[in-house]
Amino acid sequence: DTAVSQTPKYLVTQMGNDKSIKCEQNLGHDTMYWYKQDSKKFLKIMFSYNNKELIINETVPNRFSPKSPDKAHLNLHINSLELGDSAVYFCASSPTMDSLSGREQYFGPGTRLTVT
Amino acid sequence: KNEVEQSPQNLTAQEGEFITINCSYSVGISALHWLQQHPGGGIVSLFMLSSGKKKHGRLIATINIQEKHSSLHITASHPRDSAVYICAVGALNYGGATNKLIFGTGTLLAVQP
Repeated sequence: DTAVSQTPKYLVTQMGNDKSIKCEQNLGHDTMYWYKQDSKKFLKIMFSYNNKELIINETVPNRFSPKSPDKAHLNLHINSLELGDSAVYFCASSPTMDSLSGREQYFGPGTRLTVT
Repeated sequence: KNEVEQSPQNLTAQEGEFITINCSYSVGISALHWLQQHPGGGIVSLFMLSSGKKKHGRLIATINIQEKHSSLHITASHPRDSAVYICAVGALNYGGATNKLIFGTGTLLAVQP
């Protein structure tokens, strides 16, 4: 019954490694997002996809590459991990990206990434 | 200066008190969201509103579009309300994109028994 799921929940890895975080939603939503929450708990958007098409790419280093194989999945691959990448990454989805309707977003449980 | 400002940053209340958290924003918006993040880390959407007032149980959210201000009220607060409350706005045509959320820094609420 989980609406938006992420795996893994915790990820500990060393600098320089490449890792992926997976996200899936079973809500039938068209739009999916990746957010980063830093150590001060501040949330910031990284990417959004609408029907597998990249819509927002918010000045994120190109070591971060999102991939949307279908509209129910949005994965985040990170190359050459750095200490500053340590954060909690949240996936979210919404029915549409229509700004006039301003649809509610549903968040996944988050993935805590620790780079050592 | 952040485009979405919340106050207070930290709030301690006694059980039963009426609580108000404020949010001001400086960009054009499609809607304003109030989110709750529990100590376990999960984020839940409480309200999404673009005008007027909404009520769910003991929670009330209001927005004044002209003044670019919203408030979240909790009546008869309870220790289980302890969480971080985050205001976010859906920015209109921000960087050419739509429905992009810009977040406030959050308000950490602790309700003591």
